[in-house]
Amino acid sequence: QTVVTQEPSFSVSPGGTVTLTCGLSSGSVSTSHYPSWYQKTPGQAPRTLIYNTDTRSSGVPDRFSGSILGNKAALTITGTQADDESDYYCVLYMGSGISVFGGGTKLTVL
Amino acid sequence: QLYLQESGPGLVKPSETLSLTCAVSGGSISSSSYYWAWIRQPPGTGLEWIGNIYHSGSTYYNPSLKSRVTISVVTSKNQFSLNLSSVTAADTAVYYCATRGYSSRYNYFDYWGQGALVTVPS
Repeated sequence: QTVVTQEPSFSVSPGGTVTLTCGLSSGSVSTSHYPSWYQKTPGQAPRTLIYNTDTRSSGVPDRFSGSILGNKAALTITGTQADDESDYYCVLYMGSGISVFGGGTKLTVL
Repeated sequence: QLYLQESGPGLVKPSETLSLTCAVSGGSISSSSYYWAWIRQPPGTGLEWIGNIYHSGSTYYNPSLKSRVTISVVTSKNQFSLNLSSVTAADTAVYYCATRGYSSRYNYFDYWGQGALVTVPS
């Protein structure tokens, strides 16, 4: 079964820029996987950030952007704030109705 | 604006069947715009997609759970449900219901319930 890969952890300084990636254990991520990104904080439901590779969900600040970088989907956060410290998950659509979550990236702002 | 709310037992014995319901408000379960989805997060680990159902009854399941999962729609109550059979402690998780857009452009999880913790003791 195909595994969706994410960096387990990442650190960024306040005000800095960070790019999280979402890859496949076999093959390249493309727009046909309809990459989406979610922010998850403890005790809260996931918050949808990005869908269809690069479309921001309603109310999401433009500090968050999505793209394809090389063979991976990417989530870039600019002007990182303290409350951006969260877990971030990507989801790829694998066809035949099947979606797969990445393992998540724990982002630390310090 | 859709609102989703999970409900069901918080404790399920090993080998029994976990049953959860997701009540939908602010819209119809018969909407052609959405799949209705279940997603879970075991303690200390990541999110896992369980499966989707369309109002027509078409279902799609995570291959790793497919043999134990049933998702169904109860149109008269505007809700959908999850049954997971033969549970073990590994099925302990917060279970979320969510929507997934039907069209390709909206192929993502948009509206989410608050989550329901289900514990299976070891």
